[in-house]
Amino acid sequence: KQEVTQIPAALSVPEGENLVLNCSFTDSAIYNLQWFRQDPGKGLTSLLLIQSSQREQTSGRLNASLDKSSGRSTLYIAASQPGDSATYLCAVRRMDSNYQLIWGAGTKLIIKP
Amino acid sequence: NAGVTQTPKFRILKIGQSMTLQCTQDMNHNYMYWYRQDPGMGLKLIYYSVGAGITDKGEVPNGYNVSRSTTEDFPLRLELAAPSQTSVYFCASRASMGEQYFGPGTRLTVT
Repeated sequence: KQEVTQIPAALSVPEGENLVLNCSFTDSAIYNLQWFRQDPGKGLTSLLLIQSSQREQTSGRLNASLDKSSGRSTLYIAASQPGDSATYLCAVRRMDSNYQLIWGAGTKLIIKP
Repeated sequence: NAGVTQTPKFRILKIGQSMTLQCTQDMNHNYMYWYRQDPGMGLKLIYYSVGAGITDKGEVPNGYNVSRSTTEDFPLRLELAAPSQTSVYFCASRASMGEQYFGPGTRLTVT
């Protein structure tokens, strides 16, 4: 059974720091992995999608990596800003089911001005 | 560029009432999903659809029904509302192997 874990559950860092959020999964048979952010009281915004054949994806100050063999993905945020404060979720799409995402519980990130 | 739209944004229901949450996407996506998110908790899949006319249950389907008569629309029906259905409901869609996009959510309170 695929399980997705995000550690830490919460993180608070000063503005301007570079930071890394972690996502681990138990079954390496995945189609892809997606990172989302959710602002309080809002919906989910897709940040990055990494297909199983890819090693990383970049969008602006965000870089996501994928290591299927070790069951890990990281989301790197460069030069953090208060506007980056949100909950970040990762989700994997299983190889044995093309329909469902398996979700991590999220990391709540606070960037202190 | 509308993406995934949901109506209504907010709704208060009395116990036993029924309602339909509307979801529409304009990206011609085959896959559509309904999730619920309880306060401080993660997303739980209610129902999903892999194309017009095809739907299936997710993790928490009891008390809900769906239909998918067109590619664009995927309404969620609540029959006999109960306080346990108080939650935020998100609709999502994706193309095959693509990114999953979410609507803004419907905040439902059952009292």
